[in-house]
Amino acid sequence: RKEVEQDPGPFNVPEGATVAFNCTYSNSASQSFFWYRQDCRKEPKLLMSVYSSGNEDGRFTAQLNRASQYISLLIRDSKLSDSATYLCVVNILFSGTYKYIFGTGTRLKVLA
Amino acid sequence: NAGVTQTPKFQVLKTGQSMTLQCAQDMNHNSMYWYRQDPGMGLRLIYYSASEGTTDKGEVPNGYNVSRLNKREFSLRLESAAPSQTSVYFCASIDPGVSYNSPLHFGNGTRLTVT
Repeated sequence: RKEVEQDPGPFNVPEGATVAFNCTYSNSASQSFFWYRQDCRKEPKLLMSVYSSGNEDGRFTAQLNRASQYISLLIRDSKLSDSATYLCVVNILFSGTYKYIFGTGTRLKVLA
Repeated sequence: NAGVTQTPKFQVLKTGQSMTLQCAQDMNHNSMYWYRQDPGMGLRLIYYSASEGTTDKGEVPNGYNVSRLNKREFSLRLESAAPSQTSVYFCASIDPGVSYNSPLHFGNGTRLTVT
């Protein structure tokens, strides 16, 4: 089983739609959680951190469920510019060092 | 403030050739990482350096060596390139002393093709 699992998609949604991605992780000792966005052939860029209480940044809402070991990302009012791959990232403290484990990503296409 | 800088951006090698991928960060970060990204595989950790003077293997270290030259620079070397090493390589850094919740900062990537 992969340490971090995501549905690869693609999710094809019309502009203005609401779309949700889920991610599950296997290591219960995971310390922190993130969503990154990656555009084609570019480096990953931080979209938002994920906190236990849930957090929102504009049209984006992230949730963490430690008991069930999953993370979610909700995008409201999708824009064409939201088309990208969304990477779920889990941070694990291992032998005194933080290791960042990436999911394979979920591809989103927002259609006009 | 350039962040994380990787060189070269593109490289084509023949099987058996060697090369070094360079990475430098100007954010005074302690920890640095090398990842490779392949279609359908996500980013996989090759090597990391928790601090200057230390390096450790990640998930896929075979065929690679690293050097943490100083706090700023972390290089990745392919001694004898193989077609299986065709990939996009990303360097990243973080200062974990700030917060365990600090995110990784990535370089622009190196696209390597081994023929």
